[in-house]
Amino acid sequence: DVKVTQSSRYLVKRTGEKVFLECVQDMDHENMFWYRQDPGLGLRLIYFSYDVKMKEKGDIPEGYSVSREKKERFSLILESASTNQTSMYLCASGGQAGAEAFFGQGTRLTVV
Amino acid sequence: AQRVTQPEKLLSVFKGAPVELKCNYSYSGSPELFWYVQYSRQRLQLLLRHISRESIKGFTADLNKGETSFHLKKPFAQEEDSAMYYCALRGWGGSEKLVFGKGTKLTVNP
Repeated sequence: DVKVTQSSRYLVKRTGEKVFLECVQDMDHENMFWYRQDPGLGLRLIYFSYDVKMKEKGDIPEGYSVSREKKERFSLILESASTNQTSMYLCASGGQAGAEAFFGQGTRLTVV
Repeated sequence: AQRVTQPEKLLSVFKGAPVELKCNYSYSGSPELFWYVQYSRQRLQLLLRHISRESIKGFTADLNKGETSFHLKKPFAQEEDSAMYYCALRGWGGSEKLVFGKGTKLTVNP
């Protein structure tokens, strides 16, 4: 059973804080993704990684960075959290093109 | 650039009625298309993908390259089909991103 685990279900952070969202997968997948999910806007891709230390920007990378030092772990970093980054963040992992992507349970981040 | 368009934010049908959730895409290469579903309080999960040509929970979807569409259909909707549905696209390259539409919320009324 594939598991994609996000470190927190709920987070509340203050404006200006540096925030780390962690995601771990146990299926040896090459590809990992970070999305934010907002009502009416669907899932928007922030960053994805296709190998260790490899990353590419998605559609909305501004204000975010990522780190993938080990194959199983993909971290999303909010350098200086702002209120407009309040959202549900979803991590996913998957194999090569055509393969299913598996999602974590999501982290609901509130920036106050 | 990859783009997925789901024109309906909300779709409401009665139990037993046919349902069609529309998805159109834009991609210059050969795409892989998916439908994902998110039931209330559950994580997002794959419903079906065009390459496997399966019927899952009575749902089917056919890739129409001429119309660049991948509409999801079910002949007789059930109440348990009420959920959020997302169409997604990925290219066949080694480092292709997975892009989603904005989603359609399906409500099946008794």
